[in-house]
Amino acid sequence: GESVGLHLPTLSVQEGDNSIINCAYSNSASDYFIWYKQESGKGPQFIIDIRSNMDKRQGQRVTVLLNKTVKHLSLQIAATQPGDSAVYFCAERVRAQKLVFGQGTRLTINP
Amino acid sequence: EAGVAQSPRYKIIEKRQSVAFWCNPISGHATLYWYQQILGQGPKLLIQFQNNGVVDDSQLPKDRFSAERLKGVDSTLKIQPAKLEDSAVYLCASRPLRQGRAEAFFGQGTRLTVV
Repeated sequence: GESVGLHLPTLSVQEGDNSIINCAYSNSASDYFIWYKQESGKGPQFIIDIRSNMDKRQGQRVTVLLNKTVKHLSLQIAATQPGDSAVYFCAERVRAQKLVFGQGTRLTINP
Repeated sequence: EAGVAQSPRYKIIEKRQSVAFWCNPISGHATLYWYQQILGQGPKLLIQFQNNGVVDDSQLPKDRFSAERLKGVDSTLKIQPAKLEDSAVYLCASRPLRQGRAEAFFGQGTRLTVV
């Protein structure tokens, strides 16, 4: 079936530390996996994506890791800043069309 | 480039009333999505258009929800009649057809409260 879930609903980290947000997926027909950030009162904002034939992709302060063997996706945020506080969603693009979202992880930053 | 525009931003209606939401996608984006996001949950896809054709509406409650994308640009989503459980944020997103990118651009959403 199509489902994308997250291991933890909330994550609290110290400012300056690295954050790791995890996600499990179940659909083998997905060609892309995407991370979105959603701040209060706003729509989801694209962070980074990774093709299903890759296992790692880096952006500015973010890294996405894909482990197809265990169907696991993670988002690593380096040197977490107060502006990183938000809900983070993983999503998978199924059969090159449909975007299926997980439940989300709320990231809070402690000063 | 201008982002995805949605209106209204907020709407409060009584149950059994009707409501409509409007979305103007980014110019040139062929794919348009409508999502329902209930508080504390991830967005759930209601319907996906490619140009003016429906690609997926498997999770659209068709007895009360309808959507159209005439001329393949703007789109409207309607609920008639509304139920209390329809209270949610309705998000519109768009994406170009080009290969190699999965990014969809979201609007700010319309927050619907049914009382």
